[in-house]
Amino acid sequence: DAKTTQPNSMESNEEEPVHLPCNHSTISGTDYIHWYRQLPSQGPEYVIHGLTSNVNNRMASLAIAEDRKSSTLILHRATLRDAAVYYCILRGQNNNAGNMLTFGGGTRLMVKP
Amino acid sequence: SQTIHQWPATLVQPVGSPLSLECTVEGTSNPNLYWYRQAAGRGLQLLFYSVGIGQISSEVPQNLSASRPQDRQFILSSKKLLLSDSGFYLCAWNKRGRYGYTFGSGTRLTVV
Repeated sequence: DAKTTQPNSMESNEEEPVHLPCNHSTISGTDYIHWYRQLPSQGPEYVIHGLTSNVNNRMASLAIAEDRKSSTLILHRATLRDAAVYYCILRGQNNNAGNMLTFGGGTRLMVKP
Repeated sequence: SQTIHQWPATLVQPVGSPLSLECTVEGTSNPNLYWYRQAAGRGLQLLFYSVGIGQISSEVPQNLSASRPQDRQFILSSKKLLLSDSGFYLCAWNKRGRYGYTFGSGTRLTVV
């Protein structure tokens, strides 16, 4: 599986935008970029995913570089409830169970009031 | 709507005792099911996955086993727990043709 590289931790101020980077220089043409987040003492939750084009949903935006070797998860206005570990994961197009989610270390986002 | 249930939420078990954690999914059929474990301060490790009743694939050899006796039921078991089995156990499901995983609320297991 292609690997991702994320900073171990980041800090943000409440009400400000947050840009969480992810490098995936060995991404293949059929790999989707997924983001999950894990709040303290909870299971991970799906945030967003994309292939080539930028994506927006109610939780966040995903900006994908033109060469697809990096992406950025954007939280437009961080709240204290956004403090979590954010995981950037590559997953192939094949949605069989064997093509499962493999979690790395993620980025621990701390939000300061 | 689909929901996933895991129980118990917390469990304290002595070394050498058996384990049974249960996970059920409602509101869907023929889901892919997964067991993950997260040791304290560590990342999530995939333990088992299942694409159908009685079909179990193991990712990590250890003293744990999994079973899927019904379509929407996934059970994680051990005959004799070790201290190293302590951790946060998470069940997840996804639907073929859908990319998002949905995780349960987890079971925090402490082996003493």
